[in-house]
Amino acid sequence: KAGVTQTPRYLIKTRGQQVTLSCSPISGHRSVSWYQQTPGQGLQFLFEYFSETQRNKGNFPGRFSGRQFSNSRSEMNVSTLELGDSALYLCASSLTSGGYLPSYNEQFFGPGTRLTVL
Amino acid sequence: AQSVSQHNHHVILSEAASLELGCNYSYGGTVNLFWYVQYPGQHLQLLLKYFSGDPLVKGIKGFEAEFIKSKFSFNLRKPSVQWSDTAEYFCAVNARTGNQFYFGTGTSLTVIP
Repeated sequence: KAGVTQTPRYLIKTRGQQVTLSCSPISGHRSVSWYQQTPGQGLQFLFEYFSETQRNKGNFPGRFSGRQFSNSRSEMNVSTLELGDSALYLCASSLTSGGYLPSYNEQFFGPGTRLTVL
Repeated sequence: AQSVSQHNHHVILSEAASLELGCNYSYGGTVNLFWYVQYPGQHLQLLLKYFSGDPLVKGIKGFEAEFIKSKFSFNLRKPSVQWSDTAEYFCAVNARTGNQFYFGTGTSLTVIP
């Protein structure tokens, strides 16, 4: 099976611009999570989507948004970019099921998109 | 809310030294536990996981971790590190009935040849 893919791999933007990042999960995985990784902060959870619905959301401002399509591909958007948004954005997919059934699945990560805001 | 603490931010060891990285979590319910590793320039990849059963789990490349429920801990160990173990290590927790993963801030390990 192909792994999680993310495009683009690198982006350079200026303050005030907006950006869209894309993630294709492993075939059959319906859960997609997004994380922001910065030195010293580790992985900060942004949001998680399952079957086109946002199930969980982290503590990020409304400038960060996302969506998931019927084929489980996901996009995240950051509007009005700030210098502090420079980071590696990671996407992870999982076989996690819907509802509140017990979950015994790990997350599989993509290579990330390195966003630099100038 | 759940949280994960990794006590060691930077660890420097000589080859053949033993390694133990601490991980504690806060959550009262049943959890799944993971250690992920990120080698320089590579994806995050799973090192090992614990769902249930024997609290001592073995992962890839000679790593193991022990789940101590009473201490809410899941420490990572390796008896003898190699230069190729130089990487960043992340502990993660997922509530058994939830869908969100919580990650620690990571431990940067440098192994000196």
